[in-house]
Amino acid sequence: DVKVTQSSRYLVKRTGEKVFLECVQDMDHENMFWYRQDPGLGLRLIYFSYDVKMKEKGDIPEGYSVSREKKERFSLILESASTNQTSMYLCASSLPRDNQPQHFGDGTRLSIL
Amino acid sequence: AQSVTQLGSHVSVSEGALVLLRCNYSSSVPPYLFWYVQYPNQGLQLLLKYTSAATLVKGINGFEAEFKKSETSFHLTKPSAHMSDAAEYFCAVRLMDSSYKLIFGSGTRLLVRP
Repeated sequence: DVKVTQSSRYLVKRTGEKVFLECVQDMDHENMFWYRQDPGLGLRLIYFSYDVKMKEKGDIPEGYSVSREKKERFSLILESASTNQTSMYLCASSLPRDNQPQHFGDGTRLSIL
Repeated sequence: AQSVTQLGSHVSVSEGALVLLRCNYSSSVPPYLFWYVQYPNQGLQLLLKYTSAATLVKGINGFEAEFKKSETSFHLTKPSAHMSDAAEYFCAVRLMDSSYKLIFGSGTRLLVRP
């Protein structure tokens, strides 16, 4: 079974802090994704990566950056956290083939005070 | 642009009743379609996927979905609801480019009444 592990289930930070969300997958997947999930808005893609050191912006990249130094690890960085970044963050990974699904971690519920 | 529409943000059924969750997609070519389930405070779990091999797709937990090209639909069904099916369900379509990105519907919360 694919295992996608997010480092924290719950996180509370203060406005202006630099926040790191970590995600590790154990199936040697090339593709990795970061989403945020808000009530009524579904999942929105923040960034994705299709290889080490490669990244592309998703639909809502503003205020975020990412890092992928190793294939198994994909980090989401909030450069200067703001209250409107309070949300559920989900990491996913997949193989680069047409019919392959994305596999999700359990999510990090982030609160910015 | 490709999109996914899930009709009904909330669906309520009685235990033992038929479950029908609706999903319509827009795509100019046959898409890859997925249904995911999310239990409270958890990530998304794959229920099933359509990849053109068969129009009726069986998934986990007794769910199935039928791909209907003429209706651009991929509705999720289960003959008999169980209390443990209460969760949020997401339909997703894969973008037909090289990114392997998914476009998600806004989700349908299934409530199961005893």
